[in-house]
Amino acid sequence: NAGVTQTPKFRVLKTGQSMTLLCAQDMNHEYMYWYRQDPGMGLRLIHYSVGEGTTAKGEVPDGYNVSRLKKQNFLLGLESAAPSQTSVYFCASSYYRGQETQYFGPGTRLLVL
Amino acid sequence: SQQGEEDPQALSIQEGENATMNCSYKTSINNLQWYRQNSGRGLVHLILIRSNEREKHSGRLRVTLDTSKKSSSLLITASRAADTASYFCASSSGNTGKLIFGQGTTLQVKP
Repeated sequence: NAGVTQTPKFRVLKTGQSMTLLCAQDMNHEYMYWYRQDPGMGLRLIHYSVGEGTTAKGEVPDGYNVSRLKKQNFLLGLESAAPSQTSVYFCASSYYRGQETQYFGPGTRLLVL
Repeated sequence: SQQGEEDPQALSIQEGENATMNCSYKTSINNLQWYRQNSGRGLVHLILIRSNEREKHSGRLRVTLDTSKKSSSLLITASRAADTASYFCASSSGNTGKLIFGQGTTLQVKP
């Protein structure tokens, strides 16, 4: 039981490049979330999904897209990376009904030059 | 910003002392949660307190919730060097499970 895993762990991009961050969970959780964490700040929600095939915007969605084609995977895409997207990205999942605890992945550190 | 606020931002204590962190939030909640983050790692859930609860204990952790003041506190008793980490409160409202995080308290426990 690996829990929540994230790929890659670290990436350097040039401005304008694109990339996809992958989040996978093996706990059969319905709900999945993408957050970003910047120095001195808590986590801010980018997008989330309440089930396979569904996605919704969070607090800071601009510049990101997501897809949830399979229940166990939640992808975060950056179509044209900007230096302001330099951050640490965390994925989380939860089985909402009756258990609101979120389980977090180890994070992806992204540097956009 | 929807973010909650935590204070203090940083706290440094000696091993064996108690550590108290405070959190304020902005909207009505279903529950409030506390998470811990070790340097360079993901967040780990510590404890959850529901809106109809006032106090909850888990081991050396004690959480209180005052919904009239929209505030919560986390007390870690008899702290250990291994408790050194950042601690975040997160409020949950609505039916999507979304969490609104505070900005965190960085705790350093000196041996």
